[in-house]
Parts: sequence; C-alpha cells; structure tokens
Amino acid sequence: GEDVEQSLFLSVREGDSSVINCTYTDSSSTYLYWYKQEPGAGLQLLTYIFSNMDMKQDQRLTVLLNKKDKHLSLRIADTQTGDSAIYFCAESGIGGATNKLIFGTGTLLAVQP
Amino acid sequence: SAVISQKPSRDICQRGTSLTIQCQVDSQVTMMFWYRQQPGQSLTLIATANQGSEATYESGFVIDKFPISRPNLTFSTLTVSNMSPEDSSIYLCSVGRTPSTDTQYFGPGTRLTVL
Repeated sequence: GEDVEQSLFLSVREGDSSVINCTYTDSSSTYLYWYKQEPGAGLQLLTYIFSNMDMKQDQRLTVLLNKKDKHLSLRIADTQTGDSAIYFCAESGIGGATNKLIFGTGTLLAVQP
Repeated sequence: SAVISQKPSRDICQRGTSLTIQCQVDSQVTMMFWYRQQPGQSLTLIATANQGSEATYESGFVIDKFPISRPNLTFSTLTVSNMSPEDSSIYLCSVGRTPSTDTQYFGPGTRLTVL
C-alpha cells in the first residue's frame, strides 16, 4: 500500500523544539522529503533524506529515519512564529517508480508567541 | 532548485466552463508533474507531463477531463474541463531535475474556485 500518515496538529511555544512525525507503509521508497506550505502558498522543499541514512541535520532542522519502524520525523530547533505552516512528508521511488511522490496528510504547526 | 511560475494564481469560474493553467520553469527540465490539492487535503498526483508524448495519468484522472500539453522542456499546461464545484482545488505543477533525482520543486499553485 501507499499510505503516509501524520498527526493533524501540533502546537508549540516560540523558542521550543517541534517534532513532527510521519509513518509510511512502503519500504521500497528511495527518498523521503519534508515540505512546508504557508497559507495561500505553494510547497517549499525543506529537506530530504536518502533511505539508507538514519539522520540528516541542516541548520535548525534534523531529520530522523527509522526504516525498521517506517517512521520519519522532523525536528525544528528554536521554533519561530515564521515556522507556523503545514508540513508534509512525502516518499518517492515507491515500487521502483521514481519521481512519483506520495504525500502525507499534513501537520499544521502552530507556534504561540 | 528551480524558479517555477504559474498562471493564473487564482480564478473563479462558472460550472461547465474550462480553465487552462500554465506552468513555466526558468530552465530545461525533464520531468514535470501536475498535482491537485483539494481544500484541507494533501496533494494528489494527477499526471506526469511528458515532452513530445502524451501525459501519463494516475488512477482516477483521465485525459478528457484534464488534458495536458508539454510543448517543450520549460513549459506545460493543464486544462480543467467542464468544471464542477468538486474541481475547486489548488492545482500545482512541479519539476524534477533528472530521472535519477526524485527531488521535486513546486510552483506557487493556482487556486481555482468553481461556482
């Protein structure tokens, strides 16, 4: 199957860390992605991780991948009000079909000042 | 990355009419895609726009409803035909740099409302 699940909503205080979680069912995915969508805007690619990696860090963003549990997470350090948005995880390479992205349901991150 | 623009950015249309959405990229790309994002929902792939051949449609989407053109490596159009209120969505194009790179960059989207 091709299901990618996320929790719907996360609320944090400014300056705290945010952790957004994603679970997927297809173990053949090649890359996993995190996208950010601000209100009324398109999708911005935040970061991605290759499926043979466990962790990737990029400034305030840390991606953790647990292939055994098919669990992906995005940690945002020192969360700011500008981080308020919907965050989508996505997987690609499913069943050998490169370039086809399957998106998660999206997590709305609300950052309280 | 790539700079991707879409026209129009938004439109309000009457039931039964058609709308053509344009997607322009600032450099040549092999892969272009069209997605639909229904209100409050995630993104669903409509089709892959192939240069020089017919688009490849995903299950649930047909060419008669969503005809796609890809005349060159920097441009594509998606037409939403015979619209109904259920077609109200954001339509996004994306590009992938090469067939071996799965990374996709998205345009700003076209917000369509059908009355």
